[in-house]
Amino acid sequence: GAGVSQSPSNKVTEKGKDVELRCDPISGHTALYWYRQSLGQGLEFLIYFQGNSAPDKSGLPSDRFSAERTGGSVSTLTIQRTQQEDSAVYLCASSWRHSSGRGETQYFGPGTRLLVL
Amino acid sequence: AQSVTQLDSHVSVSEGTPVLLRCNYSSSYSPSLFWYVQHPNKGLQLLLKYTSAATLVKGINGFEAEFKKSETSFHLTKPSAHMSDAAEYFCVVSPTNDYKLSFGAGTTVTVRA
Repeated sequence: GAGVSQSPSNKVTEKGKDVELRCDPISGHTALYWYRQSLGQGLEFLIYFQGNSAPDKSGLPSDRFSAERTGGSVSTLTIQRTQQEDSAVYLCASSWRHSSGRGETQYFGPGTRLLVL
Repeated sequence: AQSVTQLDSHVSVSEGTPVLLRCNYSSSYSPSLFWYVQHPNKGLQLLLKYTSAATLVKGINGFEAEFKKSETSFHLTKPSAHMSDAAEYFCVVSPTNDYKLSFGAGTTVTVRA
């Protein structure tokens, strides 16, 4: 079946502009995650959505970052007033969340490569 | 708290020779452990995972990993490297009842012809 898809695959923007990154999770997956992959920082957790529960936003680096998930499916990560340090690959993942939370596999999309000039 | 240490940032092997990628973890609880692979300009693909069943885990593309609790290790091996194995590999730990993954820094594998 179809995997996690993300768009755009690449985004170049100017400092100070807002950007929106989209994630389409695997159909039926209840959990959705955003990560950031940057040089020198490795892979960082940003935000987690599970069903109708309040999202875990503990990984968002600043209040310029926000995310929403509409209808329990598609998610959009928004970065306002982009800065050069926001340049990174933004990865989305989804999973079917077990009740125990143990051992669930997160399936990753190809990522959006963001470059802020 | 949990953390992952990948002991080699870069591994270079000849095609047809064994590959060993080393990973040590620390976790307060019995963790789940994963290896993911990332080819250039691609997303992360799951190679294998350990979730407290058999300690020797077999994955895709001939990879396997052994969970050794006494050594807190989860090393990844493959008996014979192929050119297509050139990629970056991440060891990942997930503690019990938590969705947050902790990633190692990654090991870049190059395969010489």
